[in-house]
Amino acid sequence: TQLLEQSPQFLSIQEGENLTVYCNSSSVFSSLQWYRQEPGEGPVLLVTVVTGGEVKKLKRLTFQFGDARKDSSLHITAAQPGDTGLYLCAGGVRNDYKLSFGAGTTVTVRA
Amino acid sequence: EPEVTQTPSHQVTQMGQEVILRCVPISNHLYFYWYRQILGQKVEFLVSFYNNEISEKSEIFDDQFSVERPDGSNFTLKIRSTKLEDSAMYFCARDSFSGANVLTFGAGSRLTVL
Repeated sequence: TQLLEQSPQFLSIQEGENLTVYCNSSSVFSSLQWYRQEPGEGPVLLVTVVTGGEVKKLKRLTFQFGDARKDSSLHITAAQPGDTGLYLCAGGVRNDYKLSFGAGTTVTVRA
Repeated sequence: EPEVTQTPSHQVTQMGQEVILRCVPISNHLYFYWYRQILGQKVEFLVSFYNNEISEKSEIFDDQFSVERPDGSNFTLKIRSTKLEDSAMYFCARDSFSGANVLTFGAGSRLTVL
């Protein structure tokens, strides 16, 4: 099982500030997903990145896949209280349909 | 895409009892999965199911666990004799037609073993 390390574990910021969450591994992934999970619910997919160096934007969220496909980052610009939640990265390997999850980053955006 | 529906949302059981968790994915998807998340811990892979048989399972998925797709629609996870450490959220997931290991998860079933 490939290990994914997320940092930081917890992040608390004021509304309007920017934040970045990191997801790192020593393994190469064919794809990397970012999910958001609310308490008592299942992970909800935000984005999938598959190409080294790929950058995807989803409104105020920017996702980047490292050139070597071993790491990824999630950047939120001008965070809002609605961005509060647990952000999970998960990596997949070609021809192996299971995902390896990071431990998650709990983001709290204070109004 | 249609959601994945899981039942029950919460089940409390006594240690040693059998538990069946149910999931309704969509019948024309190929891969189905069970994951679990112990409170405060990572989401962990349990088992993948393809073409009505297990394609891969983790070390967690021991002889106490089994999966079935009895009627082509429902997908079940059975724990034969529950232990305290089985207390967790159990998530069913199915593959997405967009590929690339993209999964759609259900809302989960919370299992509490007393």
